[in-house]
Amino acid sequence: GAGVSQSPSNKVTEKGKDVELRCDPISGHTALYWYRQSLGQGLEFLIYFQGNSAPDKSGLPSDRFSAERTGGSVSTLTIQRTQQEDSAVYLCASSHRDRLYGYTFGSGTRLTVV
Amino acid sequence: GESVGLHLPTLSVQEGDNSIINCAYSNSASDYFIWYKQESGKGPQFIIDIRSNMDKRQGQRVTVLLNKTVKHLSLQIAATQPGDSAVYFCAENTFSGGYNKLIFGAGTRLAVHP
Repeated sequence: GAGVSQSPSNKVTEKGKDVELRCDPISGHTALYWYRQSLGQGLEFLIYFQGNSAPDKSGLPSDRFSAERTGGSVSTLTIQRTQQEDSAVYLCASSHRDRLYGYTFGSGTRLTVV
Repeated sequence: GESVGLHLPTLSVQEGDNSIINCAYSNSASDYFIWYKQESGKGPQFIIDIRSNMDKRQGQRVTVLLNKTVKHLSLQIAATQPGDSAVYFCAENTFSGGYNKLIFGAGTRLAVHP
């Protein structure tokens, strides 16, 4: 596609449920990043994928958070047993290798845990 | 830890005036900086970047200034327009874990009044 696509755009879930957030990066982009943006805050790094290398998971806030990237393309961020503090906008970005000037963000998934 | 922060959380300007958004960074080893614009409901959008071997870079109506002596970055918007209303983030590049990663500040909201 022409840009980074994220789905769903909005998700409301009950506390304790699991959610999956999807990111389709720009075709050919080998680097993929997940960030979290809480209301009125900056972007918090969560996880980084580069090609077939082991991902950098150093930003994941707890073991309830996990992410996969299948076939070097689509990525899924999973949050298990959601808590109210997980409510935020989850942003995905991709770039060719790790060329920062080509870092393109999707529109994000707004997650609300009630 | 290393961080990027902003001096002003909000900035209100009159249409047609020039705007200046400031940012302080703490990692003297950072070699690359980017300004992003985020409109409501959208992901951050690249505006302009600058490498540490430069002190000024100009784009269309925007200029980024870098002062490495005091670790300060600024974004100047000339003849501010209502469409410039958004949250602006500065980001610095850190090389961590074998790859480049952007660290974002908290953002400044720019409100343009007619």
